[in-house]
Amino acid sequence: EVQLVESGGGLVQPGGSLRLSCAASGFTFSKYWMDWVRQAPGKGLEWVANINQDGSQKNYVDSMKGRFTISRDNTKNSLYLQVNSLRDDDTAIYYCAREGHAFDNWGQGTLVTVSS
Amino acid sequence: QSVLTQSPSASGTPGQRVTISCSGSNSNIGRHTVNWYQQLPGTAPKLLIYSNNQRPSGVPDRFSGSKSGTSGSLAISGLQSEDEADYYCAVWDDHLENWVFGGGTKLTVL
Repeated sequence: EVQLVESGGGLVQPGGSLRLSCAASGFTFSKYWMDWVRQAPGKGLEWVANINQDGSQKNYVDSMKGRFTISRDNTKNSLYLQVNSLRDDDTAIYYCAREGHAFDNWGQGTLVTVSS
Repeated sequence: QSVLTQSPSASGTPGQRVTISCSGSNSNIGRHTVNWYQQLPGTAPKLLIYSNNQRPSGVPDRFSGSKSGTSGSLAISGLQSEDEADYYCAVWDDHLENWVFGGGTKLTVL
């Protein structure tokens, strides 16, 4: 069974940083593109970034370029998102998703709250 | 404002057929296949339809998808109370070089 488990969220002050993690199991992690998608409270889904199988290709939504960094460790079956210079409007649930047939598996999400 | 346009809400009574549309452009739906996600209240999204009209294993055949030009559609037949959820379309956009989601449609079963 495919499992994606996010962690690393929490309460952080504006300007702060967090490193989100996603532990994958139940499939060959190194064969898939992986993505981060976020959802602000009461709002819709917003794609954040993706990374290819060996980490050599990364794409980001323009508004997060330079502040967010996606990475992966295939030896640990893990996906990461380093989020820096956090702003109030970065408050959201951050989901990791496997990119097979579209986003075919999702984690339960980790909540990031940016507030002073 | 989303690159993909969805009506904010839709509704139907049990047993009815409802359709949710997703309007895009030549840089996204016009060039790539449309995917649909269902998000039940308080849960993570779930893939419902991929590649315009393909259902993942376990998705009932009451759910179907189609695409024409720069628009995609999700149809739900034999509406059930458990179908009450938010539905999102998504597609790759060549101009933006990223995935884009529609704003979502909240389906209410009356």
